[in-house]
Amino acid sequence: DQQVKQNSPSLSVQEGRISILNCDYTNSMFDYFLWYKKYPAEGPTFLISISSIKDKNEDGRFTVFLNKSAKHLSLHIVPSQPGDSAVYFCAASIYNQGGKLIFGQGTELSVKP
Amino acid sequence: GAGVSQSPSNKVTEKGKDVELRCDPISGHTALYWYRQSLGQGLEFLIYFQGNSAPDKSGLPSDRFSAERTGGSVSTLTIQRTQQEDSAVYLCASSLAGVSDEQFFGPGTRLTVL
Repeated sequence: DQQVKQNSPSLSVQEGRISILNCDYTNSMFDYFLWYKKYPAEGPTFLISISSIKDKNEDGRFTVFLNKSAKHLSLHIVPSQPGDSAVYFCAASIYNQGGKLIFGQGTELSVKP
Repeated sequence: GAGVSQSPSNKVTEKGKDVELRCDPISGHTALYWYRQSLGQGLEFLIYFQGNSAPDKSGLPSDRFSAERTGGSVSTLTIQRTQQEDSAVYLCASSLAGVSDEQFFGPGTRLTVL
């Protein structure tokens, strides 16, 4: 039972363009969503998060959008840079369940110069 | 140490042997999590410790898996009678207070069961 799904295993984007990574979830109890970035042989690093009371959160080049009715969130990176090339994981949690994260399978982003 | 550290970085073992994986969380972080990432998969939650509360073991895949956290700091994940399907990268994370604050991950331990 995959509660968090990232249906695109990979994405290739030209430098300077927008990268859009998508994530769907099935559990309507999730109320906090995060994006993590992972380089090979390293642990994931936190990128950006959004609470279910919001529909958008922005941090520099990174914006996360949440559509609760569709149970869908997306991460926009504008403009994309070669250093953004990594695997991106979305994750979801339920506030009163201690912060354990349910992760998607990841999307490998490649930004071409 | 500024970040979460894990040891060993790599572990190769034979099927049926026991293994212990160690995690040193960030000092002062009360919450500690274990996840694993199997090949081509996302991260799978295993267990969560918060302060002195009973751990949330809901993600442990079998009774061969156990974990403890001594003195509210260092944690050890033990896998008994390892199987080939246990091969994965085991990741530890810590956070300041749990409850949906940012989790900081260690580099992981790559476990290979032959």
